[in-house]
Amino acid sequence: DTAVSQTPKYLVTQMGNDKSIKCEQNLGHDTMYWYKQDSKKFLKIMFSYNNKELIINETVPNRFSPKSPDKAHLNLHINSLELGDSAVYFCASSQDFGLRPGTQYFGPGTRLLVL
Amino acid sequence: GIQVEQSPPDLILQEGANSTLRCNFSDSVNNLQWFHQNPWGQLINLFYIPSGTKQNGRLSATTVATERYSLLYISSSQTTDSGVYFCAVEGAQKLVFGQGTRLTINP
Repeated sequence: DTAVSQTPKYLVTQMGNDKSIKCEQNLGHDTMYWYKQDSKKFLKIMFSYNNKELIINETVPNRFSPKSPDKAHLNLHINSLELGDSAVYFCASSQDFGLRPGTQYFGPGTRLLVL
Repeated sequence: GIQVEQSPPDLILQEGANSTLRCNFSDSVNNLQWFHQNPWGQLINLFYIPSGTKQNGRLSATTVATERYSLLYISSSQTTDSGVYFCAVEGAQKLVFGQGTRLTINP
């Protein structure tokens, strides 16, 4: 059984288009995240949600809008795609117990290429 | 914010060799994880180790939280160990990643 799944795995699109990436976790976790990995393999957090509420927004352009319909899903919608958005996007989830954070589990990644 | 530095940036070894990867961090943290990103891009959890020592097969990790560093040991390396190893620390409810150590194991 897949713990954290993302769709699609690959996304090739033209500049200016709008696209969405979906993420689902079946671990029963409270917190979900989006990370971006650039061409130099540097990983950086973009957003985190806890129980459908936005906790972290790391100065990401407002063309990126996360949406959490329920605890198990965190989707990422990107408007007006730019060349610099080409990257691998990872979804992750964790179970946080009060002040003690739990292990974060990552999805397989979505490789986005903007032409 | 928290700074995370990994060393060495690149490591090339022959199959069967042992290796030690280091992660230094600039502030006290609630969580520290080691990941392996395989050549297919998948991020695999290796250890959740905010302090102490853990072992899993040929891999072990030690975190000395008071001195702000963690070490990942890989013994008897295999070609399947190749990839990028990331250390990530959690502070202020987010994971901050180091730049990674690229490990290449030659047959």
